[in-house]
Amino acid sequence: GDSVTQMEGPVTLSEEAFLTINCTYTATGYPSLFWYVQYPGEGLQLLLKATKADDKGSNKGFEATYRKETTSFHLEKGSVQVSDSAVYFCALSEWNTGNQFYFGTGTSLTVIP
Amino acid sequence: DAGVIQSPRHEVTEMGQEVTLRCKPISGHDYLFWYRQTMMRGLELLIYFNNNVPIDDSGMPEDRFSAKMPNASFSTLKIQPSEPRDSAVYFCASTNRGATRGTGELFFGEGSRLTVL
Repeated sequence: GDSVTQMEGPVTLSEEAFLTINCTYTATGYPSLFWYVQYPGEGLQLLLKATKADDKGSNKGFEATYRKETTSFHLEKGSVQVSDSAVYFCALSEWNTGNQFYFGTGTSLTVIP
Repeated sequence: DAGVIQSPRHEVTEMGQEVTLRCKPISGHDYLFWYRQTMMRGLELLIYFNNNVPIDDSGMPEDRFSAKMPNASFSTLKIQPSEPRDSAVYFCASTNRGATRGTGELFFGEGSRLTVL
């Protein structure tokens, strides 16, 4: 079945460091891929998405490229800020196969000044 | 546009009491999901509806949990009787595949934090 695997956390970085959070997926068809962010005490918010191979999603300085050949969708940011401290979830949707949404386990990021 | 609205935001109750959590999805959305989030188990899908009909409730932990969607603008998740291990944050999310160009990304509410003493 479909699944999403993302790197274990927690991740602690200094401000302005480079961020990578790895995400790989298993899917039977052609899923859409997402990164969600959850700030403390809040619900999950869509950060970015990509709907087909080689698409790049980007938002707020974050980027992720849909790599079909490696079934990956790694999240990157060139220079993190303290305000980026949150939990990041990789997810996929594959509605065409009749099912719905799959989330990774989440990766906690703490950025220290 | 208003987002997904959940109530209550916080609920503290005693073991054995009935708990009802409420959700108003985004207008026009035809899918509604209930998730539970805990430190130990992460984000778990409990149940989801399409056009008010429950499609998959395999994530509902046990018979103490029930969910209804009487109309397109309202859903409830009920726990009766509640137990301390039900303490968690419960999220409601909704989507409309057509409105999201087929990708069906979920829009989440702020969550209901339940504490069962």
